[in-house]
Amino acid sequence: NAGVTQTPKFRVLKTGQSMTLLCAQDMNHEYMYWYRQDPGMGLRLIHYSVGEGTTAKGEVPDGYNVSRLKKQNFLLGLESAAPSQTSVYFCASSYPTSGVAETQYFGPGTRLLVL
Amino acid sequence: RKEVEQDPGPFNVPEGATVAFNCTYSNSASQSFFWYRQDCRKEPKLLMSVYSSGNEDGRFTAQLNRASQYISLLIRDSKLSDSATYLCVVNRFHFGNEKLTFGTGTRLTIIP
Repeated sequence: NAGVTQTPKFRVLKTGQSMTLLCAQDMNHEYMYWYRQDPGMGLRLIHYSVGEGTTAKGEVPDGYNVSRLKKQNFLLGLESAAPSQTSVYFCASSYPTSGVAETQYFGPGTRLLVL
Repeated sequence: RKEVEQDPGPFNVPEGATVAFNCTYSNSASQSFFWYRQDCRKEPKLLMSVYSSGNEDGRFTAQLNRASQYISLLIRDSKLSDSATYLCVVNRFHFGNEKLTFGTGTRLTIIP
């Protein structure tokens, strides 16, 4: 199993450009998440999905959109990149059972620099 | 006040020593607690869950104090490979869905 993979690993964008980050998991997990990690801020939840075809806003959703068309994939889109979106983006997945939080498995991260 | 607070460190500890971190959380409705480990420029990985009765995994011991709303992690006989950032993570259900809140992490460096 590859676990959770993210594409690309690193990207440089100019302000106003758009891009899509791809997250894929092969563990048949129901839940998937997108976080961003900034120095001194910890991991912050952007959007998440509790199943195929469903998405929900997290703590910092502005400027991002997501889609979960297939259970194994969770896409994060930036429609018009801004320097404030320079960050490290982590995707994670989990398979909650009995309403109890289960381990979240993280991808290796995508480093995004917006100039 | 942040929902989860940790001492950012850095903690510089000699190899073989014992080191302890604390973490406080503000929401009394929090239900599950974890310690994650994050190596430099890598993704976070689960170190251990934290149970009310306290739990141990080898050299690592986690404690939960619900009354005071804090979680602790104790590392005994520290190894060079323990150098990492340790993230305190708290979970609660929010409108039927899980909400994990991560602390900013405590950075630990083990010195030879």
